[in-house]
Amino acid sequence: EDQVTQSPEALRLQEGESSSLNCSYTVSGLRGLFWYRQDPGKGPEFLFTLYSAGEEKEKERLKATLTKKESFLHITAPKPEDSATYLCAVQAVGNNNAGNMLTFGGGTRLMVKP
Amino acid sequence: GAVVSQHPSRVICKSGTSVKIECRSLDFQATTMFWYRQFPKQSLMLMATSNEGSKATYEQGVEKDKFLINHASLTLSTLTVTSAHPEDSSFYICSASSLIVGDTQYFGPGTRLTVL
Repeated sequence: EDQVTQSPEALRLQEGESSSLNCSYTVSGLRGLFWYRQDPGKGPEFLFTLYSAGEEKEKERLKATLTKKESFLHITAPKPEDSATYLCAVQAVGNNNAGNMLTFGGGTRLMVKP
Repeated sequence: GAVVSQHPSRVICKSGTSVKIECRSLDFQATTMFWYRQFPKQSLMLMATSNEGSKATYEQGVEKDKFLINHASLTLSTLTVTSAHPEDSSFYICSASSLIVGDTQYFGPGTRLTVL
């Protein structure tokens, strides 16, 4: 069974204080690992897809990296507007009926104080 | 990124009534749509997966007769909560996906259902 664990559950940062969010996963065969941002009362917003170990992707202050067991979302010099819940999800190979089904982690609630 | 809409964004209904939620992919044809529900401070829980023109596949523990899903076209899926009760109150979110968008799931803004 595919499993995704995110840590920490909550993270408080001062504006400008860089940090990383962790996503550990076990999957029979990784088709893709996804990062989403979710603001309160809204649907998740797509950030990145990573497909293979060693891959990195960047968007503004965010950088996502991937190994064979985990992914990190690095936040450099965060701003208060980066406050949100960040969700990690994996997509496994071999799901014939729903090859694009996702297994989500519990999320990390990030709070950035000015 | 691809755009997915949901309607309504909020709905309040009386116990025993039925509520329909629409999910539309606005700028791509979605071969697969997913329906999730989310409780406060929890992650998304997949309810069902629907492929256009086929019956939905429900996750274990989700009553298919209570949560009716229709995916009649490549841009529209509907979720009908039948005979709603207060315990059905939740945040319902849909997502849409296809090979055209690299099998990425793009999410709608969600629908807040409150059953009185």
